[in-house]
Amino acid sequence: SAVISQKPSRDICQRGTSLTIQCQVDSQVTMMFWYRQQPGQSLTLIATANQGSEATYESGFVIDKFPISRPNLTFSTLTVSNMSPEDSSIYLCSVANSPLGEKLFFGSGTQLSVL
Amino acid sequence: QKEVEQNSGPLSVPEGAIASLNCTYSDRGSQSFFWYRQYSGKSPELIMSIYSNGDKEDGRFTAQLNKASQYVSLLIRDSQPSDSATYLCAVWGSGGTSYGKLTFGQGTILTVHP
Repeated sequence: SAVISQKPSRDICQRGTSLTIQCQVDSQVTMMFWYRQQPGQSLTLIATANQGSEATYESGFVIDKFPISRPNLTFSTLTVSNMSPEDSSIYLCSVANSPLGEKLFFGSGTQLSVL
Repeated sequence: QKEVEQNSGPLSVPEGAIASLNCTYSDRGSQSFFWYRQYSGKSPELIMSIYSNGDKEDGRFTAQLNKASQYVSLLIRDSQPSDSATYLCAVWGSGGTSYGKLTFGQGTILTVHP
């Protein structure tokens, strides 16, 4: 499976600021995804990061709040903009290790706390 | 109705017992099903996948699938304290809003006590 490096591993941020999370994979992958895991909750898909085109966002998530970049097949960033305490969560980068994208492997996650 | 629903936990079993984790799903056309294990403070890791009706065994783990009943389960035999974790059921969507993405259940917390 691919090695996925995600940083920062954790951060404490002030309300109204933005944080960019980086995800680096050690091999080229077609499909990359960003998930959110709120305290005590399961994983919710934020968006699919598409190489060379705009990300595909899930219902309830918008580009202005969670802009995503995917400049190549090994790297992606997720920005959490204009943060509020409700954005406190774990953010996870994942890549698919199967043709359809159904087998996912996850980065180590970013624990975000917003004060 | 939630798209993927797991039996409410937490589940506590003694060491050496069989732990049974259950999951139901709403997308009748789904063909791919997965179990992830998540230790506290860690990211999820894939431990089992199953695509056909019946049982699939991998070491102490057995996944069971019944598409007619829209039910998938995970059995852990000879449970060990190291199996204590949250287990997430995930279903690959076949249509509608779930098409082409993995939907996770809320997870079941398993504790194996010595």
